[in-house]
Amino acid sequence: SSELTQDPAVSVALGQTVTITCQGDSFRHYYPTWYQQKPGQAPVLVMFGQNDRPSGIPDRFSGSSSGNTASLTITGAQAEDEADYYCNSRDISGARVFGGGTRLTVL
Amino acid sequence: QVQLQESGPGLVKPSETLSLTCSVSGGSISRYYWSWIRQPPKKGLEWIGYVDYNGNTNYSPSLKSRVTISVDTSKNDFSLSVASVTAADTAVYFCARLEPSVTGYYGMDVWGQGTTVTVSS
Repeated sequence: SSELTQDPAVSVALGQTVTITCQGDSFRHYYPTWYQQKPGQAPVLVMFGQNDRPSGIPDRFSGSSSGNTASLTITGAQAEDEADYYCNSRDISGARVFGGGTRLTVL
Repeated sequence: QVQLQESGPGLVKPSETLSLTCSVSGGSISRYYWSWIRQPPKKGLEWIGYVDYNGNTNYSPSLKSRVTISVDTSKNDFSLSVASVTAADTAVYFCARLEPSVTGYYGMDVWGQGTTVTVSS
C-alpha cells in the first residue's frame, strides 16, 4: 500500500522538542519528504532525502526514517513553526502520495 | 530563481472540464517533473500527477481516469485538465517542481501560490 498515516495534531511547548511521525510501507524503499504549510500559503519543502534541508530552512529541523516510519523533529520549537506538516513519498510507479497532515501547535 | 504561476478559470460548472496552466519563469522546463497538487477546503494535500519535458506522465490512481497533464516546452508551461468535475473537485490547485530520483530523494522544491477553483452551477 502507498498510504501514509500521520497523527492529526501534535502540540509542543515553546522551546521544546517535538517529533512528527508518518507511517507507510513506501519508506522501506524510498525516502520521505516533508512540507510545512501555514494558513493561506503554499506548502514549503522543509526536509528531503536522508536528512537534507533546502536552503533557508533552520537547522532546528531534522529528519530520519527507519522501517516503515519517517520522522520530522523540531529541536527548540519556535512560534513560527506552528503550521500543518505533510509527509510525502513515492511508490514503485513513481507516483507520489501525501500523508493526511499533522497540525502542530506551539504552546 | 524559478517561479511558478497558476492561471485559469476560478469557476467551473459541474460535468464540465477544469483547465489550468502553470507558467514557469526564471528557468527551463527541461530536466524536472512538473506536478499538480490540490487541497479541498479545510482538507489536506492531494497529489494529482506530473509530466516531464518529454510529455511522459504519472497520475494518481484515484484521478487517473479524469486527469490529463501536458507540457508545452515552446511556452515553458504545463497544463492540467480534469474532466467531468463535481463539487468534490472544488479546491486550491497548486503546481510544483519535482526533481526526478529513483529513490524519491528530492522533494517538490518550488511551488506556485495556488489558484482556487470552485465547481458550481
